[in-house]
Parts: sequence; C-alpha cells; structure tokens
Amino acid sequence: KAGVTQTPRYLIKTRGQQVTLSCSPISGHRSVSWYQQTPGQGLQFLFEYFSETQRNKGNFPGRFSGRQFSNSRSEMNVSTLELGDSALYLCASSSLGGAATNEKLFFGSGTQLSVL
Amino acid sequence: AQSVAQPEDQVNVAEGNPLTVKCTYSVSGNPYLFWYVQYPNRGLQFLLKYITGDNLVKGSYGFEAEFNKSQTSFHLKKPSALVSDSALYFCAVRAPNSGNTPLVFGKGTRLSVIA
Repeated sequence: KAGVTQTPRYLIKTRGQQVTLSCSPISGHRSVSWYQQTPGQGLQFLFEYFSETQRNKGNFPGRFSGRQFSNSRSEMNVSTLELGDSALYLCASSSLGGAATNEKLFFGSGTQLSVL
Repeated sequence: AQSVAQPEDQVNVAEGNPLTVKCTYSVSGNPYLFWYVQYPNRGLQFLLKYITGDNLVKGSYGFEAEFNKSQTSFHLKKPSALVSDSALYFCAVRAPNSGNTPLVFGKGTRLSVIA
C-alpha cells in the first residue's frame, strides 16, 4: 500500500507570491490533516478535511486555505507569502480522523517551503 | 485546552545506555497519548500510543512509554540506545470525546546517540 505522498518536495518562492501544495493520502483514508513544522514552534495544526469538508481549523490567518477532492486528495494554498511562512508543511492521513480520537496518523515526507 | 510539553530540546546518550525522552501533558479527563519519531528528511512515524489499560506501553523499535497519571507524564524509554535511534521525537495528546479537536504535538526533542 502506497504511503502518503506530498508534492513538490521543495519549493522556493518570493514574498507576495502564492503557492499550492498537494497531498495524496493512503488509499481508503478519508481524513487529511495539515501541519506546519518550524524549529522554534514544533508542529502546529493548520486544518483537517474529511470527505471534502473542512472539519477543523487551527489559528492561522486566512491566507492559509485548503480543500479536499472527492478522491480524498488535498491541496493547501498560501497566498501573499511572507518570510515567516518558510517551514516544512506536513500532511497526514487517517481513516476517520477526528471522529476516532485514538487513531494514529500517517505522515508524508513534507514540502519544504522557502520564502525569500 | 489540551497541551503537551517536552522539557528538553536535546538529549544526548551513549550507545548501549538506556535513554529517556520526557513528556508531560495537560488535558481534561483521561488522555490519549502518542509518540512519533522523525528521521532526517522524513515525515513523522508512529511509535506507540496509550489509550487505556496497562500503564506501560510497548511500541516499535524496542521503545516503550510509561503513563503516569499522578505526574501527568508519558516518558519514552528504551533500555539500550542505538546510533540509529538518533532522530527528533514528538509527544502528542488528544482528549477523548473531544469531537474533532486535532492531535496536539509538543515541540520535539532531538535525541543524539553517540557511538
């Protein structure tokens, strides 16, 4: 069974640009969560999608948005990039997500975003 | 609100020695607790979880963790460290019956095992 796939692996953008990151979950998984990882803050929750609906959202500005498609693939978009958006963005999938609170998450390798 | 703290940014241990990575949590009610490991240039991998039952939980790669309710701790342990255990370790918590609240992670502890 293929794992969680994130593309692209690396991205370099300049301030003010926008970026779209992609995540393909494990086959059969309906929940996709996104996390931002930085050295100082650890992992911070961005949002979770389940069956094409955003089920939960973290404390990030509206420049961060996402969506999920009918095949459970998810995209995350960041508009008007700032230097502080430089981070590793991780996607995680699970069968049921937040509805099953003891489920483990399966993570992709992440997209490393650098904003210059 | 639920939270987790990993008091040590870095832990150094000699190969063959026992290792402990510390984690304390704050949550209403009985928590669900997790440990994940991140190797360089990789995503996080699940190590083990505590849901209920025996306070000593055994996981992957010889790791175990002990749930201590009175001290609100869930320390990760291994009897004999390997150089290949060097990685970034994350503790995470979720409150049961908390609806769709996400898994909350600590800031991570970098473990270095020295040969």
